[in-house]
Amino acid sequence: GAVVSQHPSRVICKSGTSVKIECRSLDFQATTMFWYRQFPKQSLMLMATSNEGSKATYEQGVEKDKFLINHASLTLSTLTVTSAHPEDSSFYICSARKRVDEKLFFGSGTQLSVL
Amino acid sequence: GENVEQHPSTLSVQEGDSAVIKCTYSDSASNYFPWYKQELGKRPQLIIDIRSNVGEKKDQRIAVTLNKTAKHFSLHITETQPEDSAVYFCAASRPSSASKIIFGSGTRLSIRP
Repeated sequence: GAVVSQHPSRVICKSGTSVKIECRSLDFQATTMFWYRQFPKQSLMLMATSNEGSKATYEQGVEKDKFLINHASLTLSTLTVTSAHPEDSSFYICSARKRVDEKLFFGSGTQLSVL
Repeated sequence: GENVEQHPSTLSVQEGDSAVIKCTYSDSASNYFPWYKQELGKRPQLIIDIRSNVGEKKDQRIAVTLNKTAKHFSLHITETQPEDSAVYFCAASRPSSASKIIFGSGTRLSIRP
């Protein structure tokens, strides 16, 4: 199979703090991982493309200093929401694309609530 | 830029009937078209995909068709069952694993008993 693990599944934090979310491909190597934000009953909004060993590519309107992405290995990418504010509250979901067949698999998502 | 449009946004069908969801894409270089099913509170799951060298693909009750000339692709679900109720997303991508996958806006499918 192709399993993508995402942690934590849920986090509640105070305004001004930073939150790190991890995304791991457990049984395949992913040179490319993607981070999305999903609002209730809406589609997946691509935030950034994470490439192993290089800087992430951010979509228009996404602040790179706000959403720090690190892709340290072929199986791990992290998203850090810095100085979180209530408007950052959302469902964040990662995905990893298999090099061999280009199929995309999703993590289970992280529900972030900023108080 | 790249864009994927999906219709309808909501769809309600009687159990046992067929459901069809349609998508169009703008990037003519796209060659990979996956479909995802997302149940409430869960991750999107890949249910079927098609590549540009194929016009149709079927997997049990699910089929996908692709018209490259018109840049249209569709998902067909036959003999619908209650467990088919979910949000379905179409997507399109260029070649290579480094290319981003662009998603449609989603279709909320409800199966009436």
